[in-house]
Amino acid sequence: QVQLVESGGGVVQPGRSLRLSCAASGFTFTDHGMHWVRQTPGKGLEWVAVISYDGDNIYYLDSVKGRFTISRNNSKNTLYLQMNSLRTEDTAVYYCAKDLARSYAVLGMDVWGQGTTVTVS
Amino acid sequence: QSVLTQPPSVSAAPGQKVTISCSGSGSNVGNNYVSWYQQLPGTAPKLLIYDTHKRPSGIPDRFSGSKSGTSATLDITGVQPGDEADYYCGTWESSLTGGWLFGGGTRLTVL
Repeated sequence: QVQLVESGGGVVQPGRSLRLSCAASGFTFTDHGMHWVRQTPGKGLEWVAVISYDGDNIYYLDSVKGRFTISRNNSKNTLYLQMNSLRTEDTAVYYCAKDLARSYAVLGMDVWGQGTTVTVS
Repeated sequence: QSVLTQPPSVSAAPGQKVTISCSGSGSNVGNNYVSWYQQLPGTAPKLLIYDTHKRPSGIPDRFSGSKSGTSATLDITGVQPGDEADYYCGTWESSLTGGWLFGGGTRLTVL
């Protein structure tokens, strides 16, 4: 079945780094754009970044530009989020999600992982 | 403050209809497809509506989406206790900055 499994979350001090991974299975990973979305406990969803199916098109939330890097390894069916210079306000559950589109278009997220928790303290 | 505006909460008795709005602008809702997500307590979000009005397989036709101008709407008819959740709209921002937008979310309470 279609599945996304995140890992790499944890507790980290402000200013330090963390790398999240998302292992994909059950679909053709190389066909779809992929997102990272985060959610602070008790708050709403906040989109973080998207990468196109081939890695050529990338967009970020303004507040993470220059600090976070989204990437993918299509040979390993894995999505990454490298988070540097972490701030307390980056504390959240981070979800990876698959985009509906099979092109450079971004249409929305039809498959979500279970999330991994990042605490910056 | 989200660029896409949703009411913080709505409520309905079982069997009634509820409408959740998502207001944006010409560079997002007005010019792009809208999707809707349901998040039950303690779980990951789930896609309810995509391409503004289409339902993924397995989503009952009690859920429907539409758009007029810069405002999108999620309708839920025959509300059930299991529908009590947070609902989010989302769409692409076509301005120079680009990126995906989520609304602030609407908590549906089933009375």
